[in-house]
Amino acid sequence: EDKVVQSPLSLVVHEGDTVTLNCSYEVTNFRSLLWYKQEKKAPTFLFMLTSSGIEKKSGRLSSILDKKELSSILNITATQTGDSAIYLCAVGNYNTNAGKSTFGDGTTLTVKP
Amino acid sequence: DAGVIQSPRHEVTEMGQEVTLRCKPISGHDYLFWYRQTMMRGLELLIYFNNNVPIDDSGMPEDRFSAKMPNASFSTLKIQPSEPRDSAVYFCASSWQGPANEKLFFGSGTQLSVL
Repeated sequence: EDKVVQSPLSLVVHEGDTVTLNCSYEVTNFRSLLWYKQEKKAPTFLFMLTSSGIEKKSGRLSSILDKKELSSILNITATQTGDSAIYLCAVGNYNTNAGKSTFGDGTTLTVKP
Repeated sequence: DAGVIQSPRHEVTEMGQEVTLRCKPISGHDYLFWYRQTMMRGLELLIYFNNNVPIDDSGMPEDRFSAKMPNASFSTLKIQPSEPRDSAVYFCASSWQGPANEKLFFGSGTQLSVL
């Protein structure tokens, strides 16, 4: 059974700090790793990482996939209160139909003014 | 596009009652997923459809849960009879058939409270 573990479970920082969120996985026949941000309700897509695209960046957010260590990190620099959310990591494998990703429990990030 | 649309946003019901949750996926998306989120168990996949056909319902907790997708633009998740332990946020999500189809588009969810 596929497994995704995120750490830490929760994190409290102050505006301007840099944070690193971790995601490790055990997946048969790895296909992709996705990061989502969940504010209030619906998760929204941030990044997708695959064997052919192991590093993504968008503004203050960046993510790297380490296939050797079976893990990924999500970095947020110069954090803002609007970054407060649950960050979810999901992993897909080629043995199942696309979209049937396994989700981690998430990291709850709180950014204080 | 309006995105994935779910209704109702909130549902409060009493134990034993039937509950029906509704979802309209993004037009053109071929996959539809029903997820449940709780503090204890996180985000769990209940069932998913491809081209209106149920592909995997192994996540459906028990026979009290059923899901249908009569056409490409509508799906329902029904709980009958409902129990307090069914209280959770239920998300519908959709994705397309093509490349990078692991990327899910989620609806706003239905907050279900069973008293």
